Amino acid sequence: DGGITQSPKYLFRKEGQNVTLSCEQNLNHDAMYWYRQDPGQGLRLIYYSQIVNDFQKGDIAEGYSVSREKKESFPLTVTSAQKNPTAFYLCASSYRGAATEAFFGQGTRLTVV
Amino acid sequence: DAKTTQPNSMESNEEEPVHLPCNHSTISGTDYIHWYRQLPSQGPEYVIHGLTSNVNNRMASLAIAEDRKSSTLILHRATLRDAAVYYCILRDVSGSGGSNYKLTFGKGTLLTVNP
Repeated sequence: DGGITQSPKYLFRKEGQNVTLSCEQNLNHDAMYWYRQDPGQGLRLIYYSQIVNDFQKGDIAEGYSVSREKKESFPLTVTSAQKNPTAFYLCASSYRGAATEAFFGQGTRLTVV
Repeated sequence: DAKTTQPNSMESNEEEPVHLPCNHSTISGTDYIHWYRQLPSQGPEYVIHGLTSNVNNRMASLAIAEDRKSSTLILHRATLRDAAVYYCILRDVSGSGGSNYKLTFGKGTLLTVNP
């Protein structure tokens, strides 16, 4: 089945540790996105990538890093510099263009203790 | 970035039509209007999008004002499964040559459907 997969669904980490969230898609989409969602809030854009080996900062990139070495994959690393990392993280992909729909993964809920 | 404004919440009764409004007064001529919805603890799902003309699909209809400064998502007969947060967003074109297509969400409208 074609789709976008995030893993794991739940993740627990100790404060001060870096953690990498996985996002894989087999939809042949060029563009991929990472969002953060806090309770009762909307989605905030962290990073996005339009093409392999290229990515741009979104609205809240501080404390996060990404890579785009393959078209299918766009992992997000939450670094120890992120002051409030506990949140629900969502990955999305789409074809490039303003008229294209985006497909979302089911999200990873990260809890830092 | 072009911004959208939506009511925080709306309430509807099952099997009645629902009209979800969205204001986007700073929309540019090439911005598409997209709607997504999100169920609790799930990723958003695409609902519909349009540019200038009204659009219909199996899920909903999208009515776009003539000046494009507002739009309305119409659910023709609300069901309990339609209870969700609905996001109205503008597909933003930026970067050199218009090559970067950001996808920026606001806070959306929480739709409650009463049985």
